[in-house]
Amino acid sequence: SQQGEEDPQALSIQEGENATMNCSYKTSINNLQWYRQNSGRGLVHLILIRSNEREKHSGRLRVTLDTSKKSSSLLITASRAADTASYFCATVVNRDDKIIFGKGTRLHILP
Amino acid sequence: DGGITQSPKYLFRKEGQNVTLSCEQNLNHDAMYWYRQDPGQGLRLIYYSQIVNDFQKGDIAEGYSVSREKKESFPLTVTSAQKNPTAFYLCASSIKETLFQFFGPGTRLTVL
Repeated sequence: SQQGEEDPQALSIQEGENATMNCSYKTSINNLQWYRQNSGRGLVHLILIRSNEREKHSGRLRVTLDTSKKSSSLLITASRAADTASYFCATVVNRDDKIIFGKGTRLHILP
Repeated sequence: DGGITQSPKYLFRKEGQNVTLSCEQNLNHDAMYWYRQDPGQGLRLIYYSQIVNDFQKGDIAEGYSVSREKKESFPLTVTSAQKNPTAFYLCASSIKETLFQFFGPGTRLTVL
């Protein structure tokens, strides 16, 4: 089964609204990373949050981490058309330092 | 202009042929990775390398081979033993295995 699983699988919101995506994982982690992928392109790193951190911000992005619930959320505020993409969480597992990607959330910003 | 490049962008292969996908980085990263992505799916690790002249199998290495003769280069060969090679292939690199990865633009391989 997946180490990291994003929820929802797909999300459509109006431009200007906030978008929230969640990631759940199963085993102890070193850190959790969020990436964006535009259609047909490579992934772009957004934010890395370490296991001893609870929240990080970068521009319109806010990531939270709850290690007791083994979950993370990515919030994109004031969404724009350019935010339309797939968003992946990736966990670096403590056991072997391997990075494991989830299947992603497809975000569509409606004009 | 630092970054990671992949070539070609599109590749067509006849059944029974081996093909090699190129991946080059000038970021001075030690670690490099190859992933396969199928439509609507996440990334699956094929091979990774933490240092020159050393590499390890990932979760789906069967039918693939790699080499790491130079720090900058990590080519992937898709052999005829790979039964379903049509996919989007992504190469990535990182300073250290536990840190975030930089990705190339990808190569879309289609078997005719």
